[in-house]
Amino acid sequence: EAGVVQSPRYKIIEKKQPVAFWCNPISGHNTLYWYRQNLGQGPELLIRYENEEAVDDSQLPKDRFSAERLKGVDSTLKIQPAELGDSAVYLCASSPRRQSGPDNEQFFGPGTRLTVL
Amino acid sequence: QKEVEQNSGPLSVPEGAIASLNCTYSDRGSQSFFWYRQYSGKSPELIMFIYSNGDKEDGRFTAQLNKASQYVSLLIRDSQPSDSATYLCAVKTSGTYKYIFGTGTRLKVLA
Repeated sequence: EAGVVQSPRYKIIEKKQPVAFWCNPISGHNTLYWYRQNLGQGPELLIRYENEEAVDDSQLPKDRFSAERLKGVDSTLKIQPAELGDSAVYLCASSPRRQSGPDNEQFFGPGTRLTVL
Repeated sequence: QKEVEQNSGPLSVPEGAIASLNCTYSDRGSQSFFWYRQYSGKSPELIMFIYSNGDKEDGRFTAQLNKASQYVSLLIRDSQPSDSATYLCAVKTSGTYKYIFGTGTRLKVLA
């Protein structure tokens, strides 16, 4: 089974430029997460989708960040314009929705390392 | 107070020893607890999850949960140099699919 796919793996841009990241979750996984991980920190949730609905975007900086998950499969995260502080690794994760049980482990993609100059 | 706290380390243990990694959390409504391993430059990979008080064993790994003390730990027996990585604790609150991660503990297993 293929894992979570992300592209690009690396991106270097000048500040104020736009950038977009793409994620393809594991087949059949309804829940998709975008995280940002700064060096030496744990992942921080940006947005969570259940199918095509964004059910938790409380930590997404909406003035410059946007995301979409059309048809409830692939997702795109965009930053426009990028700032120096946006340099980080952007991780996508997916998890299946189970009908019962408290556990619902998530699987991470390889991430996109963004450097804003 | 951070929602999920871990000692950043590094925690250094000799090869073959038991490594003990600890995590505390603030939300008593937390229901599920996860340990991820993250090698430098790589993405987190799930090692174990636990949601009942007590111990859960999987090979060389044992997760321990004490909800009364809001404490979860990961023991790695017979530590190997390949276990050297950052270990992230993640907590999921009851009724949600939101995970809160700690900052991670860096483990170094010395050959």
